[in-house]
Amino acid sequence: DAMVIQNPRYQVTQFGKPVTLSCSQTLNHNVMYWYQQKSSQAPKLLFHYYDKDFNNEADTPDNFQSRRPNTSFCFLDIRSPGLGDAAMYLCATSRAGAGEQETQYFGPGTRLLVL
Amino acid sequence: AQSVTQLDSHVSVSEGTPVLLRCNYSSSYSPSLFWYVQHPNKGLQLLLKYTSAATLVKGINGFEAEFKKSETSFHLTKPSAHMSDAAEYFCVVSRGGFKTIFGAGTRLFVKA
Repeated sequence: DAMVIQNPRYQVTQFGKPVTLSCSQTLNHNVMYWYQQKSSQAPKLLFHYYDKDFNNEADTPDNFQSRRPNTSFCFLDIRSPGLGDAAMYLCATSRAGAGEQETQYFGPGTRLLVL
Repeated sequence: AQSVTQLDSHVSVSEGTPVLLRCNYSSSYSPSLFWYVQHPNKGLQLLLKYTSAATLVKGINGFEAEFKKSETSFHLTKPSAHMSDAAEYFCVVSRGGFKTIFGAGTRLFVKA
């Protein structure tokens, strides 16, 4: 089945130690998104890629970076995690064009714990 | 500017009774609207979407929603709740440019 995959499902890191979360998709969608979701809150968009074009949200901290080496993969890098970065990180994809660009398909998320 | 308001942070129903989760939106043009469901520690699953076709939209698991332009509403309903429906529900409006706006979410509790 076509899907959005996130690894790992749970990630523990230390305060200040860089961490990378990964997302892959078999939907062949050209848009990929990263969201941060804190407990009992709605997901908050960090950035998205349209093909190789990176689009950062204005209020996304510089501590958060992303890479998309090819259509299928997208990475979220947190350069120096703080305690406030503990959250669920959700990856999503959509297909631009043909009126479908707005429907996003989500992965299961990676729960990040910062010690 | 676009926005979305979920009118209830929590809704509690008994199993077998109807579900109503309320969502109002504001948009300067005809929006695309979505309902997503999120079970604990899981990602978001698309329930249904409205994209200016039929105003009554049927989704998965027996859910449906009706787009009412005059009321700027997109309420989610289900005739009979099941225990497995207990989850967080998000109403989402698309503002184009690959960006979406999430409501704050409604937690649905289903009592046996």
